[in-house]
Amino acid sequence: AQTVTQSQPEMSVQEAETVTLSCTYDTSESNYYLFWYKQPPSRQMILVIRQEAYKQQNATENRFSVNFQKAAKSFSLKISDSQLGDTAMYFCAFMKPGVQGAQKLVFGQGTRLTINP
Amino acid sequence: EAEVAQSPRYKITEKSQAVAFWCDPISGHATLYWYRQILGQGPELLVQFQDESVVDDSQLPKDRFSAERLKGVDSTLKIQPAELGDSAMYLCASSSFPWGTGELFFGEGSRLTVL
Repeated sequence: AQTVTQSQPEMSVQEAETVTLSCTYDTSESNYYLFWYKQPPSRQMILVIRQEAYKQQNATENRFSVNFQKAAKSFSLKISDSQLGDTAMYFCAFMKPGVQGAQKLVFGQGTRLTINP
Repeated sequence: EAEVAQSPRYKITEKSQAVAFWCDPISGHATLYWYRQILGQGPELLVQFQDESVVDDSQLPKDRFSAERLKGVDSTLKIQPAELGDSAMYLCASSSFPWGTGELFFGEGSRLTVL
C-alpha cells in the first residue's frame, strides 16, 4: 500500500517570503501522479499542482512549483512571494492511475501554513 | 463554475442516532468518492463509486456505515448508529475518471459532531 508522509505539521512565514513544504511517499509503482491540494479554513479543498511521475520536468503553476525527486520519493512544494491568501492546510497526495478502483487519492497528514502580514 | 454540492454543512447528533449526508457531484463525473477527515489529519477514503457500482469500500465500517449511488449521479452516506468517534468532516469528491487528468473536485464537506 502507498503511504504519504508530511513531516512538517505547521509552518509560518512572512508575506512575500518563499516557503517549501516537504513530502515523501512510499510506493513500488513506476507510474503514478502526485498532487498538492490546498484546504483554506472552512472552504473546500482545491488542487494546487499536479506532477506525473514519468515526466522529469518539475511542474509549475504561477507562484507554485514542485521539486520532484523520483529516486528519493520526494515531492516538495515551493511557494514563492507568499500571500495572505495562501494561508491554508496543504496536503500532499498520491494516485495510481488507470486501473478501475485504483484511482484514489492517498493523502498525507497535512501541513498547516500560516502567512503573516 | 460547476461544483460538488454537499448537505448538510453541519450536523450535530447524539450517540446512537442515525445520520445521513448527501452529495451531488459535478455533472458528467462518473467517479464519486466519500472521504472522512478527522480534525488535523488528512482525508481517508471510505468508499469509491464508478457510476452506480462500488469499486472500493475496504475502509468503510460496514457494521454502521452504508453508501449508495442508485442512479449513478448523487450519493448518500449513512451512519447508524452514530458513535462519538464518528465526529469528523465527511468530504465528497468527484472526478471524470477514466477521462481527464485525475484531479478530484471536492465539496465543502459535512461536519459531523456526535455528542
